Amino acid sequence: EIVLTQSPGTVSLSPGERAILSCRASQSVASNCLAWYRQKPGQAPRLLIYGIFSRATGIPDRFSGSGSGTDFTLTISRLDPEDSAVYHCQQYGTAPITFGQGTRLEIK
Amino acid sequence: EVQLVESGGGLVQPGGSLRLSCVVSGFSFSPNWMSWVRQAPGKGLEWVANIKPDGGVENYVDAVKGRFTISRDNGKSSLYLQMNSLTVEDTAVYYCATGSGWHDYWGRGTPVTVSS
Repeated sequence: EIVLTQSPGTVSLSPGERAILSCRASQSVASNCLAWYRQKPGQAPRLLIYGIFSRATGIPDRFSGSGSGTDFTLTISRLDPEDSAVYHCQQYGTAPITFGQGTRLEIK
Repeated sequence: EVQLVESGGGLVQPGGSLRLSCVVSGFSFSPNWMSWVRQAPGKGLEWVANIKPDGGVENYVDAVKGRFTISRDNGKSSLYLQMNSLTVEDTAVYYCATGSGWHDYWGRGTPVTVSS
């Protein structure tokens, strides 16, 4: 199975700054099948990005995805306190579907 | 508004069984793949199973193969997960979610605790 490793484990930034979250795959992710989710405490995950680059409905352009092959990035610009959450990456191109362990983003 | 509402979770002893349900509204259920994803306490997300729109194809993570069965009733816009031979490693919040790749919509989850 494809193992996804997210870094950093935890990051603390100030409002207005930019966050760069990494997701590295143990082998190449097929057909651009990489998604990102945000999960706030006690809530279900919410889809942010799919197909590496495409924003989900209602997601502002402060959120952008990039990468290819085995290295992917979620960039969140102009951080807002509401962005405090755990961010998960997911690959769905090769069975079984797998998720990374998550990156916790704290807004100071 | 799209709503997915899970139910059926609870406390069960090792070796026991539970059946989870998920009722979907505001979403075109019958033409879409559906999935179950779980999250153990303090851990990341783990895909569990998915099912084709007509129910003819089911896929499972190795950890639950032979113990869990996913099913659906398109007439009731409902998704199910029959869980047998439960172990402590199955303790998690179980989410139902739309799609077989990325998941646009998720329920709030139902907690399952396997403990003696």
